[in-house]
Amino acid sequence: DTEVTQTPKHLVMGMTNKKSLKCEQHMGHRAMYWYKQKAKKPPELMFVYSYEKLSINESVPSRFSPECPNSSLLNLHLHALQPEDSALYLCASSQEVGTGAYEQYFGPGTRLTVT
Amino acid sequence: GNSVTQMEGPVTLSEEAFLTINCTYTATGYPSLFWYVQYPGEGLQLLLKATKADDKGSNKGFEATYRKETTSFHLEKGSVQVSDSAVYFCALSEWNNNDMRFGAGTRLTVKP
Repeated sequence: DTEVTQTPKHLVMGMTNKKSLKCEQHMGHRAMYWYKQKAKKPPELMFVYSYEKLSINESVPSRFSPECPNSSLLNLHLHALQPEDSALYLCASSQEVGTGAYEQYFGPGTRLTVT
Repeated sequence: GNSVTQMEGPVTLSEEAFLTINCTYTATGYPSLFWYVQYPGEGLQLLLKATKADDKGSNKGFEATYRKETTSFHLEKGSVQVSDSAVYFCALSEWNNNDMRFGAGTRLTVKP
């Protein structure tokens, strides 16, 4: 099974709301990633978790807060977002980080609209 | 730093035409190279990969060869189908950090 699942598929939220995006994989991967993708652009890396610890934070605003409760789950908590944060948020996983150039497996994404 | 440059799109082809999407890279070490495909409204799917020079990745009729001498990883398919219409991303990842770098993406439209 090479599937990464993400929920919800679509999310509309106001600028004062708090919401969370969820990601799950059951491939035994020890690295998980959050990307942001704007229309007609490549994905931009936001966060990397390795063995459930945050290893990379690409200078993402604090209104985005990642969490890795266990090796299979990854959350992205959203608070006080701006309309320019509207995008497709992609989760990915890979076997590991730092011991090989492993391919990443992507979920279908959450389409986020901030109103 | 590492980077990937893809040919600009969009690319429009007729069904059964030959496809080439050019990709060149810059890397300080010995990266692995990937092609990902993104269908409308979906996430990225790994199409093929190559981990060292002269490796050929292949999948679903698509091929790409890791050319270290020209720092290239061009995607080819001999006969495209309407169902191949999508955005294609070339990407690289270094052995020691797995920081995936994507090209800008090339939108392919195949017409019947």
